[in-house]
Amino acid sequence: DQQVKQNSPSLSVQEGRISILNCDYTNSMFDYFLWYKKYPAEGPTFLISISSIKDKNEDGRFTVFLNKSAKHLSLHIVPSQPGDSAVYFCAASAPSGGSNYKLTFGKGTLLTVNP
Amino acid sequence: DSGVTQTPKHLITATGQRVTLRCSPRSGDLSVYWYQQSLDQGLQFLIQYYNGEERAKGNILERFSAQQFPDLHSELNLSSLELGDSALYFCASRAPGQGTTGELFFGEGSRLTVL
Repeated sequence: DQQVKQNSPSLSVQEGRISILNCDYTNSMFDYFLWYKKYPAEGPTFLISISSIKDKNEDGRFTVFLNKSAKHLSLHIVPSQPGDSAVYFCAASAPSGGSNYKLTFGKGTLLTVNP
Repeated sequence: DSGVTQTPKHLITATGQRVTLRCSPRSGDLSVYWYQQSLDQGLQFLIQYYNGEERAKGNILERFSAQQFPDLHSELNLSSLELGDSALYFCASRAPGQGTTGELFFGEGSRLTVL
């Protein structure tokens, strides 16, 4: 059972435009959400996170929006740059923190930003 | 560089064989996580250790086992290998004291090919 779903395997956008990556979750216990970026032959790297007490978090060109009622979050990249081309993973955690903390990941979306 | 070290980076072996993947977490991190990324799959959680103790198990096969040693490095043992075990295996660690939030830091992964 896929608790974190990224229904778009790929997305292609033009440089300078907005990239919107979507993620849905089914587990209502999830209360902390993260986005990771992964380049080929590298490990995933943390990008941005959001707690369920917020509906928006911004960091430079990256903004994550959370809609708890819809169990949906999205990552906006504005403006998109060719270097943003990577696989983006959505991840979530439930409040079993401390030494029991773990992340559940989606399957990822391959973003291609065309010059 | 995330500070998480995984060896080997690449491994090619035959069906029925056994391999060991090694992970050194970031300095000071007590938690180690193992994830598997197969073709068209996201990051599947396998197992988590905290300060030498197993804390959570995910979709880990009985043919697979892991442990975390007193120096906090971890090993993932894969035995009776099958073609379907071919995948990227990632190790991640997490800083202590993060409570119910915080990111995981991933290594570059070990690519296992079973022929």
